[in-house]
Amino acid sequence: AQSVTQLGSHVSVSEGALVLLRCNYSSSVPPYLFWYVQYPNQGLQLLLKYTSAATLVKGINGFEAEFKKSETSFHLTKPSAHMSDAAEYFCAVRDNTDKLIFGTGTRLQVFP
Amino acid sequence: NAGVTQTPKFQVLKTGQSMTLQCAQDMNHNSMYWYRQDPGMGLRLIYYSASEGTTDKGEVPNGYNVSRLNKREFSLRLESAAPSQTSVYFCASREVTGNTGELFFGEGSRLTVL
Repeated sequence: AQSVTQLGSHVSVSEGALVLLRCNYSSSVPPYLFWYVQYPNQGLQLLLKYTSAATLVKGINGFEAEFKKSETSFHLTKPSAHMSDAAEYFCAVRDNTDKLIFGTGTRLQVFP
Repeated sequence: NAGVTQTPKFQVLKTGQSMTLQCAQDMNHNSMYWYRQDPGMGLRLIYYSASEGTTDKGEVPNGYNVSRLNKREFSLRLESAAPSQTSVYFCASREVTGNTGELFFGEGSRLTVL
């Protein structure tokens, strides 16, 4: 069965610092992987997705993620954090019945 | 373009009361989903509808029923609400054919059961 694990329920960075949010997946088939962002009191919106076309995926708001099959990872990064990046981030994998399985989320805090 | 619309946005119920959460999408998507979000647990799938006329259980279906009224609308019903059903509920939709699985979400319905 497919699953994702997000290491660290809370991550804090200073404005301008590197953002690194970790996601490891388990999948018996070539995975489709996603990162979603949730701002306070809003629904989730897609940041980026991996669909096997390229291992380095660029998303909105300067985020990117690299698919590493050997490490079964799909970590999310941004070179320089902005105050507006404070939100909760979810990694997800599409399972073999075509549904999305979500991780437990990582809340990102950005300090000035 | 409204996307996915959920009503109501907030609701307070007493234990044992019933209610229906409504969801409508205007993107002509085939598949629709209901998730619940609880602190530290991410999003868990309650029910989904792969196409008009079909519904299937997800990870946590107990205590809920759904109706796929037509292609646009997918409702979630709590017949006898319990405090354990206090949560934020999200409806989502996506096109299946030729699609890599991206979900489009509503803004959520915040339910408190006293």
